Amino acid sequence: EVQLLQSGGGLVQPGGSLRLSCAASGFTFGTYAMNWVRQSPGKGLEWVATISVRYDTYYADSLKGRFTISRDNSNNTLYLQMSSLKAEDAAIYYCARDKRAKTSRDWFDTWGQGSLVAVSS
Amino acid sequence: IVLTQSPATLSLSPGERATLSCRATQSVITYLAWFQQKPGQAPRLLIYDVSKRAPGVPDRFSGSGSGTDFTLTISSLEPEDVAVYYCQQRSDWPLTFGGGTRVEIK
Repeated sequence: EVQLLQSGGGLVQPGGSLRLSCAASGFTFGTYAMNWVRQSPGKGLEWVATISVRYDTYYADSLKGRFTISRDNSNNTLYLQMSSLKAEDAAIYYCARDKRAKTSRDWFDTWGQGSLVAVSS
Repeated sequence: IVLTQSPATLSLSPGERATLSCRATQSVITYLAWFQQKPGQAPRLLIYDVSKRAPGVPDRFSGSGSGTDFTLTISSLEPEDVAVYYCQQRSDWPLTFGGGTRVEIK
């Protein structure tokens, strides 16, 4: 069964850093582009970042320089390193897999359970 | 590319037809999908490439459109269809979602 299991959410102070993890199982992780999507409380979905199978990275313009997406294919894990966090970054963060292997801009067909990030002093 | 969904909320009786709209500020060709999100759950891919149903999606869900105007239709609303529905484009970076349409049962 294809699964994405997330960890690493929590409460962080403004200006702080946090790393989210997304452990994949049930598929050949290294052949799929992976993504992060967030959802602020009571709001809609916002794409955050994508990393291709060749490690090309793409970010939402508003997040460039503060967030870093990375992957460890040997451990089947996706990461999102978040720094200089602001109150408006508080959200549920989802990791999501591309539908088809070896593409870099495909539909999100499998989602993690979500990680709650709260930013407050 | 900005996606605008309408209406914001749709309240219908069971068995009625639901029609949800998604309009793009520029052509996304056929690179449009629909997601369903129920309370407390992660989004679920429903329709991709405008009209292709994802595995396991009931055939009462259908998608249509091209270019800038797209529609998700639920032919006969079931109580389990209560959710927020989002459209999303992958025609160009940044990937974008619409603001969502909440479907309620009267």
